[in-house]
Amino acid sequence: EAGVAQSPRYKIIEKRQSVAFWCNPISGHATLYWYQQILGQGPKLLIQFQNNGVVDDSQLPKDRFSAERLKGVDSTLKIQPAKLEDSAVYLCASSPRDSGSSYNSPLHFGNGTRLTVT
Amino acid sequence: QKEVEQDPGPLSVPEGAIVSLNCTYSNSAFQYFMWYRQYSRKGPELLMYTYSSGNKEDGRFTAQVDKSSKYISLFIRDSQPSDSATYLCAMIKGAQKLVFGQGTRLTINP
Repeated sequence: EAGVAQSPRYKIIEKRQSVAFWCNPISGHATLYWYQQILGQGPKLLIQFQNNGVVDDSQLPKDRFSAERLKGVDSTLKIQPAKLEDSAVYLCASSPRDSGSSYNSPLHFGNGTRLTVT
Repeated sequence: QKEVEQDPGPLSVPEGAIVSLNCTYSNSAFQYFMWYRQYSRKGPELLMYTYSSGNKEDGRFTAQVDKSSKYISLFIRDSQPSDSATYLCAMIKGAQKLVFGQGTRLTINP
Protein backbone atom coordinates (compact mmCIF):
# COMPACT_ATOMS: atom_id res chain seq x y z
CA GLU A 1 0.00 0.00 0.00
CA ALA A 2 1.15 3.54 -0.63
CA GLY A 3 2.40 5.34 2.47
CA VAL A 4 1.51 8.72 3.91
CA ALA A 5 2.49 11.42 1.43
CA GLN A 6 3.64 14.86 2.53
CA SER A 7 4.75 17.93 0.64
CA PRO A 8 6.85 19.90 0.41
CA ARG A 9 9.84 18.05 1.86
CA TYR A 10 11.66 21.24 2.78
CA LYS A 11 10.62 24.85 3.24
CA ILE A 12 12.60 27.91 4.21
CA ILE A 13 10.74 31.12 5.06
CA GLU A 14 11.35 34.33 6.93
CA LYS A 15 9.66 35.05 10.22
CA ARG A 16 6.21 36.58 9.93
CA GLN A 17 5.63 34.88 6.58
CA SER A 18 2.99 32.20 6.13
CA VAL A 19 3.45 28.58 5.09
CA ALA A 20 1.25 25.57 4.37
CA PHE A 21 1.93 21.86 4.47
CA TRP A 22 -0.08 19.15 2.76
CA CYS A 23 -0.72 15.55 3.77
CA ASN A 24 -2.38 12.66 1.96
CA PRO A 25 -2.96 9.75 4.38
CA ILE A 26 -3.09 6.08 3.54
CA SER A 27 -6.28 5.29 1.66
CA GLY A 28 -9.12 4.36 4.01
CA HIS A 29 -7.45 5.61 7.18
CA ALA A 30 -10.02 7.45 9.26
CA THR A 31 -7.69 9.15 11.72
CA LEU A 32 -5.10 11.75 10.77
CA TYR A 33 -2.54 13.41 13.02
CA TRP A 34 -0.17 16.35 12.71
CA TYR A 35 2.94 16.26 14.90
CA GLN A 36 5.69 18.79 15.43
CA GLN A 37 9.20 17.42 15.99
CA ILE A 38 11.77 19.97 17.06
CA LEU A 39 15.40 18.92 16.53
CA GLY A 40 16.52 16.53 19.26
CA GLN A 41 13.01 16.03 20.65
CA GLY A 42 10.23 13.52 20.25
CA PRO A 43 7.14 14.29 18.18
CA LYS A 44 4.48 16.42 19.86
CA LEU A 45 0.86 16.12 18.77
CA LEU A 46 -0.60 19.30 17.33
CA ILE A 47 -3.98 18.11 16.11
CA GLN A 48 -5.91 14.89 15.54
CA PHE A 49 -8.77 14.41 13.09
CA GLN A 50 -11.31 11.62 13.02
CA ASN A 51 -12.61 11.69 9.44
CA ASN A 52 -13.14 15.44 8.96
CA GLY A 53 -13.82 16.29 12.61
CA VAL A 54 -11.27 17.50 15.17
CA VAL A 55 -10.70 15.08 18.07
CA ASP A 56 -7.87 16.87 19.88
CA ASP A 57 -6.28 20.24 19.17
CA SER A 58 -5.33 21.10 22.74
CA GLN A 59 -1.66 21.66 21.87
CA LEU A 60 -2.22 23.59 18.65
CA PRO A 61 -1.20 27.28 18.97
CA LYS A 62 -4.45 28.49 17.53
CA ASP A 63 -3.38 32.12 17.26
CA ARG A 64 -1.03 31.15 14.42
CA PHE A 65 -1.64 27.53 13.45
CA SER A 66 -4.68 26.19 11.64
CA ALA A 67 -5.50 22.84 10.08
CA GLU A 68 -8.29 21.39 8.07
CA ARG A 69 -9.24 18.05 6.64
CA LEU A 70 -11.83 18.60 4.00
CA LYS A 71 -13.87 15.57 2.92
CA GLY A 72 -12.06 13.46 5.51
CA VAL A 73 -9.09 12.68 3.27
CA ASP A 74 -6.27 15.18 2.58
CA SER A 75 -5.23 17.65 5.21
CA THR A 76 -3.48 21.01 5.25
CA LEU A 77 -1.60 22.59 8.16
CA LYS A 78 -0.95 26.33 7.99
CA ILE A 79 1.22 28.66 10.03
CA GLN A 80 0.58 32.39 9.84
CA PRO A 81 2.66 34.28 10.87
CA ALA A 82 5.66 32.03 11.44
CA LYS A 83 8.07 32.51 14.33
CA LEU A 84 11.66 31.36 14.69
CA GLU A 85 10.61 28.70 17.22
CA ASP A 86 8.37 27.07 14.60
CA SER A 87 11.48 25.64 12.94
CA ALA A 88 10.88 21.90 13.11
CA VAL A 89 9.84 18.84 11.14
CA TYR A 90 6.08 18.60 10.71
CA LEU A 91 4.99 14.98 10.56
CA CYS A 92 1.66 13.73 9.35
CA ALA A 93 0.45 10.30 10.45
CA SER A 94 -2.65 8.24 9.87
CA SER A 95 -4.23 5.16 11.39
CA PRO A 96 -7.15 3.02 10.32
CA ARG A 97 -9.00 2.89 13.60
CA ASP A 98 -10.56 5.45 15.87
CA SER A 99 -8.75 7.63 18.35
CA GLY A 100 -8.92 5.12 21.16
CA SER A 101 -7.07 2.32 19.48
CA SER A 102 -3.66 3.64 18.58
CA TYR A 103 -1.87 1.03 20.68
CA ASN A 104 -2.92 -1.82 18.39
CA SER A 105 -3.62 0.32 15.38
CA PRO A 106 -0.19 1.77 14.84
CA LEU A 107 0.37 5.19 13.42
CA HIS A 108 1.87 5.32 9.93
CA PHE A 109 4.04 8.39 9.57
CA GLY A 110 5.01 10.31 6.49
CA ASN A 111 8.59 11.54 6.07
CA GLY A 112 7.69 15.03 7.18
CA THR A 113 8.23 18.59 6.03
CA ARG A 114 11.34 20.26 7.40
CA LEU A 115 10.58 23.92 8.07
CA THR A 116 13.30 26.49 8.68
CA VAL A 117 12.23 29.96 9.79
CA THR A 118 14.94 32.62 9.46
CA GLN B 1 8.95 17.14 35.13
CA LYS B 2 8.30 15.51 31.76
CA GLU B 3 5.84 12.64 31.69
CA VAL B 4 8.32 10.49 29.75
CA GLU B 5 12.09 10.73 30.19
CA GLN B 6 14.56 9.25 27.73
CA ASP B 7 18.32 9.73 27.56
CA PRO B 8 19.02 11.41 24.20
CA GLY B 9 22.48 9.86 23.89
CA PRO B 10 24.17 9.71 21.49
CA LEU B 11 24.99 6.05 22.01
CA SER B 12 27.71 4.42 19.91
CA VAL B 13 28.47 0.69 20.09
CA PRO B 14 30.39 -1.85 17.96
CA GLU B 15 28.59 -4.19 15.62
CA GLY B 16 27.37 -7.33 17.36
CA ALA B 17 27.00 -5.70 20.76
CA ILE B 18 23.84 -5.88 22.86
CA VAL B 19 22.15 -2.50 23.06
CA SER B 20 19.95 -1.38 25.92
CA LEU B 21 17.65 1.62 25.51
CA ASN B 22 15.52 2.88 28.37
CA CYS B 23 12.71 5.22 29.33
CA THR B 24 11.12 6.16 32.61
CA TYR B 25 7.69 7.63 33.10
CA SER B 26 5.91 9.40 35.89
CA ASN B 27 2.22 8.70 35.27
CA SER B 28 1.00 5.29 36.40
CA ALA B 29 -2.03 5.70 34.11
CA PHE B 30 0.10 4.77 31.11
CA GLN B 31 -1.00 1.34 29.97
CA TYR B 32 0.42 0.74 26.52
CA PHE B 33 4.08 1.06 25.62
CA MET B 34 5.67 1.30 22.23
CA TRP B 35 9.06 1.68 20.62
CA TYR B 36 9.41 3.55 17.34
CA ARG B 37 12.50 3.65 15.15
CA GLN B 38 13.28 6.76 13.15
CA TYR B 39 15.93 6.79 10.45
CA SER B 40 17.49 10.11 9.48
CA ARG B 41 15.09 12.31 7.50
CA LYS B 42 12.33 9.70 7.75
CA GLY B 43 9.17 9.41 9.80
CA PRO B 44 9.03 7.12 12.85
CA GLU B 45 7.95 3.51 12.30
CA LEU B 46 6.51 1.23 14.94
CA LEU B 47 8.98 -1.41 16.11
CA MET B 48 7.22 -3.04 19.03
CA TYR B 49 4.33 -2.49 21.39
CA THR B 50 3.36 -4.13 24.64
CA TYR B 51 0.69 -3.84 27.28
CA SER B 52 1.64 -5.76 30.36
CA SER B 53 4.70 -5.94 32.54
CA GLY B 54 7.23 -8.49 31.37
CA ASN B 55 9.12 -9.21 28.19
CA LYS B 56 8.07 -9.36 24.56
CA GLU B 57 10.47 -10.69 21.95
CA ASP B 58 10.53 -10.17 18.19
CA GLY B 59 13.62 -11.46 16.44
CA ARG B 60 16.65 -9.57 17.72
CA PHE B 61 14.47 -7.11 19.65
CA THR B 62 13.10 -7.52 23.17
CA ALA B 63 10.80 -5.00 24.84
CA GLN B 64 10.61 -5.05 28.61
CA VAL B 65 8.13 -3.26 30.85
CA ASP B 66 8.35 -2.87 34.62
CA LYS B 67 5.22 -1.03 35.71
CA SER B 68 6.15 -1.11 39.39
CA SER B 69 9.30 0.89 38.63
CA LYS B 70 7.71 2.87 35.75
CA TYR B 71 10.58 1.77 33.54
CA ILE B 72 10.65 0.35 30.02
CA SER B 73 13.55 -1.00 27.99
CA LEU B 74 14.36 -2.10 24.48
CA PHE B 75 17.17 -4.58 23.94
CA ILE B 76 18.79 -5.19 20.59
CA ARG B 77 20.86 -8.36 20.24
CA ASP B 78 23.57 -8.84 17.62
CA SER B 79 23.30 -5.19 16.64
CA GLN B 80 23.86 -4.32 12.97
CA PRO B 81 24.89 -1.06 11.27
CA SER B 82 21.37 -0.98 9.80
CA ASP B 83 20.05 -0.56 13.36
CA SER B 84 21.64 2.91 13.48
CA ALA B 85 18.71 5.26 14.03
CA THR B 86 16.90 7.25 16.68
CA TYR B 87 14.74 5.12 18.95
CA LEU B 88 11.67 6.73 20.47
CA CYS B 89 9.71 5.28 23.33
CA ALA B 90 6.03 6.18 23.38
CA MET B 91 3.16 5.44 25.68
CA ILE B 92 -0.56 5.92 25.84
CA LYS B 93 -3.10 6.12 28.63
CA GLY B 94 -6.57 4.90 27.88
CA ALA B 95 -7.87 6.58 24.77
CA GLN B 96 -5.49 9.50 24.99
CA LYS B 97 -2.82 10.57 22.60
CA LEU B 98 0.64 9.08 22.35
CA VAL B 99 3.32 10.73 24.46
CA PHE B 100 6.79 10.33 23.03
CA GLY B 101 10.14 10.34 24.76
CA GLN B 102 12.92 12.55 23.49
CA GLY B 103 14.52 9.75 21.49
CA THR B 104 17.96 8.12 21.76
CA ARG B 105 20.29 8.42 18.81
CA LEU B 106 22.08 5.09 18.28
CA THR B 107 25.05 4.37 16.03
CA ILE B 108 26.33 0.84 15.38
CA ASN B 109 29.92 0.90 14.19
CA PRO B 110 31.08 -1.82 11.72
